[in-house]
Amino acid sequence: NAGVTQTPKFRILKIGQSMTLQCTQDMNHNYMYWYRQDPGMGLKLIYYSVGAGITDKGEVPNGYNVSRSTTEDFPLRLELAAPSQTSVYFCASSREGGGETQYFGPGTRLLVL
Amino acid sequence: AQKITQTQPGMFVQEKEAVTLDCTYDTSDPSYGLFWYKQPSSGEMIFLIYQGSYDQQNATEGRYSLNFQKARKSANLVISASQLGDSAMYFCAMRLDFQKLVFGTGTRLLVSP
Repeated sequence: NAGVTQTPKFRILKIGQSMTLQCTQDMNHNYMYWYRQDPGMGLKLIYYSVGAGITDKGEVPNGYNVSRSTTEDFPLRLELAAPSQTSVYFCASSREGGGETQYFGPGTRLLVL
Repeated sequence: AQKITQTQPGMFVQEKEAVTLDCTYDTSDPSYGLFWYKQPSSGEMIFLIYQGSYDQQNATEGRYSLNFQKARKSANLVISASQLGDSAMYFCAMRLDFQKLVFGTGTRLLVSP
């Protein structure tokens, strides 16, 4: 199993450009998440999904959009990139249930100039 | 509001010594879970240990143990016999509904020979 995969690994964007961060998991998990990690900080939840077709906002959703058309994929869209979105983005997935940990992807490092 | 607090920005320990990383949490929900993750310099998030709010015993996983004091709302991570490879950022996290996680700001651990 590949687990959670993310592409690209690193990207430089100009202010105002758009891009989609890809996330795929092969563990048949219903729950998926997008977090961002700013330098020296913990992770903050952007959006999450509890199943195909169902998404909801997390703590810091402004400037982002998501969709979940399949169980496996959970892309994150940045429409108008801003320097404040420079961060490392982690996708994660989880089974339902109390003690289940989240499985994290390797992260995407995004620099907006 | 649910919150995780890690008050130690950095900790320094010598190889083979034990070290305790502090974590306090705030929630009014009687059912919750607490996690510790390790983030080495390579950036991935590695799950270490989990404690459920109803678990009677402190969780242990190899050299890692979680000192869970429910009345004090603390969930400290104890690493016994530190190794050079333990040098990393350590994050405490609390599980919310739908398995969402809220993270602390992290503690950087440096293990010296």
